[in-house]
This record gives sequence, structure tokens and C-alpha cells, in this order.
Amino acid sequence: SQTIHQWPATLVQPVGSPLSLECTVEGTSNPNLYWYRQAAGRGLQLLFYSVGIGQISSEVPQNLSASRPQDRQFILSSKKLLLSDSGFYLCAWDRGPDTQYFGPGTRLTVL
Amino acid sequence: GQSLEQPSEVTAVEGAIVQINCTYQTSGFYGLSWYQQHDGGAPTFLSYNALDGLEETGRFSSFLSRSDSYGYLLLQELQMKDSASYFCAVRDRGGYNKLIFGAGTRLAVHP
Repeated sequence: SQTIHQWPATLVQPVGSPLSLECTVEGTSNPNLYWYRQAAGRGLQLLFYSVGIGQISSEVPQNLSASRPQDRQFILSSKKLLLSDSGFYLCAWDRGPDTQYFGPGTRLTVL
Repeated sequence: GQSLEQPSEVTAVEGAIVQINCTYQTSGFYGLSWYQQHDGGAPTFLSYNALDGLEETGRFSSFLSRSDSYGYLLLQELQMKDSASYFCAVRDRGGYNKLIFGAGTRLAVHP
């Protein structure tokens, strides 16, 4: 069966510090991968998606970047965090039309 | 662009039936999905409608009317554990299963 992992689960970082969040998928090959951000009490905003190794599409201009160094690994990064980067970051992969499966998420607080 | 509208909050009592509506605007429609998210957790897939009509999965049903750009999620025999946020989503016209999510409906189930 397929599983998706994210780490860390929670993170508290100072403004201006770098960020690296990791997502890995097991039990499937060549998945489409997605990074979302969710502000408290709000919906999900798509940040990046990837259809293959090294292929990244950005949805909104922002302080973040993404990379896909391996087929089942998706990384979200920032060189300098802003207060507005706080939120719940979710990685997802798709398994069919209009169906996505989400990882457990990383709750990021920037102070 | 594409957008979805759903009520922000719904309240119901245990054992009751509740309907969460979703209206959408999209240039190309591929289907309407529903996701459930408990506080602090990740969204989980509930249902997907590509064709008009009612899809039933246990206590949950989802309905779609493409001519009205409208769908709903019906929850029957409500239980306390159904208290969560519910999101409708449509696929972005850009493809690759990119989903556009509504802002979510927070359902509170009371004894």
C-alpha cells in the first residue's frame, strides 16, 4: 500500500532563518506531488506541484521554492523565512483523477 | 478563473442529517471532490462526482448537478466524530490533477 511521510511534524523558526521540509512517498512510482499551505481556519492554497524528477511548477510568487531530487521525494525550502510563512504545510500525491492523498503535515511557526 | 463557494459553518445534532452545499465556477469541469479534515489533521478524501447524480458511501453521499454548477455533501446519522471541516474541490483547467479547494465548511455536531 502507498504511504506518504512528512517531517518534521512541527517546527518553530525565527524570522530570517532557512527552511527545509521533506515529503516522501512509498509504494508507488512517478507520482504527481503537491505542496499546499493552509493558514489557520482557512482553505488549502496550492504552492507547487511536480510531475517528475526536476520538474517543478510554482503556483504563486512567494518566499518559497521546491525541488524534487528523486522520484518519490519532494522538498520545500526557503532561504529566509518571513512571519507570513507560518502555517500548516501539506504534501500530497495523486492516485487518480481528482483524488489526492495528503501527508500528515508540518505545522510551521515563524517568530 | 475558477472559484468555489461553500458555507463557512454548519451546526447539527447527533443523529441528524446535514447537507453542505458547494457552488463552483470553472472554465472546464472534470469533477467535484469532497475532503474531510479534523482539527490538526490532514485532509482525507471522501468522494468524487464526475457525472450528475448521487453517489453513496455509507453514511455519506455526494450529489452533483453540472448544469447548475452545484454539488452537495450529505451526512446522515451524524456522530460526534463527524465534527470537522469539509472542503469541496474541482480540478484546475491546467490539468495534472491540480485541485482548487473551497474555503471549507466547519461542521459542529452537538449531543
